Amino acid sequence: DAGITQSPRHKVTETGTPVTLRCHQTENHRYMYWYRQDPGHGLRLIHYSYGVKDTDKGEVSDGYSVSRSKTEDFLLTLESATSSQTSVYFCAIRAALPFGYTFGSGTRLTVV
Amino acid sequence: GQQLNQSPQSMFIQEGEDVSMNCTSSSIFNTWLWYKQDPGEGPVLLIALYKAGELTSNGRLTAQFGITRKDSFLNISASIPSDVGIYFCAGQNTNAGKSTFGDGTTLTVKP
Repeated sequence: DAGITQSPRHKVTETGTPVTLRCHQTENHRYMYWYRQDPGHGLRLIHYSYGVKDTDKGEVSDGYSVSRSKTEDFLLTLESATSSQTSVYFCAIRAALPFGYTFGSGTRLTVV
Repeated sequence: GQQLNQSPQSMFIQEGEDVSMNCTSSSIFNTWLWYKQDPGEGPVLLIALYKAGELTSNGRLTAQFGITRKDSFLNISASIPSDVGIYFCAGQNTNAGKSTFGDGTTLTVKP
């Protein structure tokens, strides 16, 4: 009963290459979010979406872009991956009450 | 932007002990949330708080929404080994539901 899945779970890529991470939900929730998690920094918001084709930037959006062409899919793209983008990326969806997120299992991205 | 200070950063306790952790902010939040993260997984929502002064329990967990709306507390009673993990607080304000997260408290429970 995952409700939200991320792919791939692990990826190793080279500096300068484009990378796309996918988040897929089956809950029909309006709001979707991309966060990155790094040691000592907790979870930081990259981009979020409040509907199909409606997206906005979070606090660490530089170097990232997103797209949402369908309610169920939210894509995160690193246009030209850098080593500083090595991180664990989490997608989340939000229902109404209790306002909290349901997170995916994460994508561990390594840029070499 | 808004920042949350979560403390302590880590805790090492004996099984059966009670645990307290807290989160403070320089800004007001309308909603406080507490999550737990197990290794290799995403955080899971434990408790959501909606009103200043609110006290909410979920089993052995109790959380409070501070009266000033700038802080929140989480207590775990009679800890057990499966309580091990990272606990995050999060504050939320806008209708877009963006959450600001603390840096987490890593809990280790010794049997």
